[in-house]
Amino acid sequence: QKEVEQNSGPLSVPEGAIASLNCTYSDRGSQSFFWYRQYSGKSPELIMFIYSNGDKEDGRFTAQLNKASQYVSLLIRDSQPSDSATYLCAFRGGNNDMRFGAGTRLTVKP
Amino acid sequence: EAQVTQNPRYLITVTGKKLTVTCSQNMNHEYMSWYRQDPGLGLRQIYYSMNVEVTDKGDVPEGYKVSRKEKRNFPLILESPSPNQTSLYFCASSGWREQFFGPGTRLTVL
Repeated sequence: QKEVEQNSGPLSVPEGAIASLNCTYSDRGSQSFFWYRQYSGKSPELIMFIYSNGDKEDGRFTAQLNKASQYVSLLIRDSQPSDSATYLCAFRGGNNDMRFGAGTRLTVKP
Repeated sequence: EAQVTQNPRYLITVTGKKLTVTCSQNMNHEYMSWYRQDPGLGLRQIYYSMNVEVTDKGDVPEGYKVSRKEKRNFPLILESPSPNQTSLYFCASSGWREQFFGPGTRLTVL
């Protein structure tokens, strides 16, 4: 079983819609969780950090964490073509190591 | 400006020829790490460092070495590169709730 599971996609949504990205993890010792955006040929860019259960909102992005279910999600409201990228979820484990999912490719169609 | 620099950005080498990829950050972060990114496998952590003179193995440390003699620098050393180390490498520098990636080094081992 992979430690971080993400739907590889591609996920396609129309402009203005809500994009929903999901991630499950297996390490119950995980302390903090991250969502990154990576454009093709570029380095990952951190867009959300969450460490407590519940929702965290930042602009059009909302991260949701459920530690009991070992589940973290990212919602992107009012999706724009510029949001088209690969989204990586990651967690920092109990040893302070970082584990990443393989990423979900999102396409927002005008 | 927060910055992580890596050099070289591109490198083609031959099997067995030792090489070093440098990484430097200007944010006074204690935590630095190295990743490799391969298609379909996402980002995998090679080594990480919690502070000067403290390094730990990540998910895929075989064939790599690191050192952390100064807080700002975290070089990655391949003593005897092999073709299976052909990959895209990222250095990253982290605070508790942030992580900045370098621009990446594309390495090809022939």
